Formats: sequence, C-alpha cells, structure tokens
Amino acid sequence: GAGVSQTPSNKVTEKGKYVELRCDPISGHTALYWYRQSLGQGPEFLIYFQGTGAADDSGLPNDRFFAVRPEGSVSTLKIQRTERGDSAVYLCASSKNLAGGLTDTQYFGPGTRLTVL
Amino acid sequence: AQSVTQLGSHVSVSEGALVLLRCNYSSSVPPYLFWYVQYPNQGLQLLLKYTTGATLVKGINGFEAEFKKSETSFHLTKPSAHMSDAAEYFCAVSGGFNKFYFGSGTKLNVKP
Repeated sequence: GAGVSQTPSNKVTEKGKYVELRCDPISGHTALYWYRQSLGQGPEFLIYFQGTGAADDSGLPNDRFFAVRPEGSVSTLKIQRTERGDSAVYLCASSKNLAGGLTDTQYFGPGTRLTVL
Repeated sequence: AQSVTQLGSHVSVSEGALVLLRCNYSSSVPPYLFWYVQYPNQGLQLLLKYTTGATLVKGINGFEAEFKKSETSFHLTKPSAHMSDAAEYFCAVSGGFNKFYFGSGTKLNVKP
C-alpha cells in the first residue's frame, strides 16, 4: 500500500516568505508527527497530532510555526516569515497509535527539503 | 527528560565484519527504544524496537540490539556486514506522551 507522502520534495524560498509543507499519512493512521532534521542531526520533534487535534506542540520553535490537520488525515506545516535558520529537512511520520502510541512503529515520509535564501 | 547519545558519527567496517553501532539513552521513565535506518533519499525505516520483555531484540536484515538497563545502552549489532547495509542509523527513545527523541545518527560505511 501507499506510504507516507510529502510535498513538495524540495522548496526554495526567500527570507521573510510564507511556506506550507504537506503530509499525506498512511490511510487509517490516527497519529501524525512532524520532525525537523538539520544537517548532521537526528530528527527533532516538532508536533504530534492525535486525530484532528494537536496533542503536543511543545517542539514548535516559535510562533512562526503552525500545523493543522483539519480532517484527521492530511496535515500542513506552515511557516511564516521564514528565516535562514529554518532551512532543514522536514519529516512527517504516521502511526496507528495502538496502546497509547509509545511503542508504535512510526512510518516516515521522504521529507521536504526547505532552503531559505 | 529523555535523550539519546550515539557515539561515533561515522563508522567504517569491511564487508563480512561485525557491525557495532553504539547508543546510550537517558530517561526518567521506563524507556521504549528504537533503531531506524535511513537510506539515501528515502524515509526512515524501523529496524527494531524494545518495549518490554526480552532484552535481546531481533530486527530486519539480520540486525539485533540488546537493552542493558544497568548501562543505559541499546547498541545495534550485526554479525556480518553487507554492502547494502551502508546507510545512516538513528537510535530513538520514547518516554511519554508520544514524544520521541532521536540521536544524531551514525553513518555506516561498508568497504569491499
């Protein structure tokens, strides 16, 4: 079956612009995660959705970052007034959220590489 | 709080040699531990995970890892490296509230 997909695969923007990154999770997965992976680092947690609601957004670095999942499936990560430091690969993952989710296997998308000039 | 330390950002082994990738964790609650692999231009893929029970966990592609609570370690091993094992490997811990913490990764190079 289809895995997690993310669009676009690459996004180049100018400092100060607004960007939206999209994630299509595996069908039926109720949990959805966003991570940011900077060069030479592991994925860094940003936000976790359970269904339509953001259950934990404590990883969002500041109020320029926002994410939605209005129908409990597709999610969009929105970044306002982009800065050069936002350049990274943004990863999305989904899971079935069985048994509370702590032991779930997360299925990752290929990521969106964001470059802010 | 939870955190993961992976010793060695780059590891190089010869084909057929033992692979050992090190992971130490810190967790204030009983940890659940994971190893993921990332091939170039692909998403992260789960290799194996420890939740409860047997401390020696077997995963895909011949990899295994042992949870050692006394050493707070979860090292990844494979008896004989293949060229196809060349990739980046990430150790991760989840400690509560669906939050996962990843190490900075180890790139494995396999020499012919």
